[in-house]
Amino acid sequence: GESVGLHLPTLSVQEGDNSIINCAYSNSASDYFIWYKQESGKGPQFIIDIRSNMDKRQGQRVTVLLNKTVKHLSLQIAATQPGDSAVYFCAAQRNSWGKLQFGAGTQVVVTP
Amino acid sequence: EPEVTQTPSHQVTQMGQEVILRCVPISNHLYFYWYRQILGQKVEFLVSFYNNEISEKSEIFDDQFSVERPDGSNFTLKIRSTKLEDSAMYFCASSIRQAGEQYFGPGTRLTVT
Repeated sequence: GESVGLHLPTLSVQEGDNSIINCAYSNSASDYFIWYKQESGKGPQFIIDIRSNMDKRQGQRVTVLLNKTVKHLSLQIAATQPGDSAVYFCAAQRNSWGKLQFGAGTQVVVTP
Repeated sequence: EPEVTQTPSHQVTQMGQEVILRCVPISNHLYFYWYRQILGQKVEFLVSFYNNEISEKSEIFDDQFSVERPDGSNFTLKIRSTKLEDSAMYFCASSIRQAGEQYFGPGTRLTVT
């Protein structure tokens, strides 16, 4: 079955530095990937997504990189701010079909 | 900006009781989902729903669970006889397409005592 996981449970980063959050997936049929941000007591909030026909996608202060060869994706946050403190989840969708398979989450803590 | 809404935000119930969790998906979305998140753990898929029927369900979604779209706006999750292990955050999500981004609601915290 699918396994989507994150490499680090907690990432502590200084305000203004760049953050990199990593994620691995196991099923090569996964063809769509999303990064979600979850603040305490709230639902997952979409950050950025990428399809398997791409290897990089940029948004506002965020970049997602996808390496299909090693089944790995990462989320880079530039100039991390206190408002970026949250749990970040990667999620994968297989064969462009409905359900999302979530990873375990990385807690990002931004220190002043 | 349109958003998914869920009620109630917190539901406390006794073991064995029935609960109904309610969701209002984004109005032009066609695909609806329920996920749950046990405290401190990852988000888990429960069920997807399209065209008034279940399109996929996980092994968590057993006979105690059911979903319904009773009208053009609401989407509900019913747990017939709650167990202690049903305590979790339940998230509703919706999407306009089968493939791609899903928008999540704020969740309902279910506490079974």
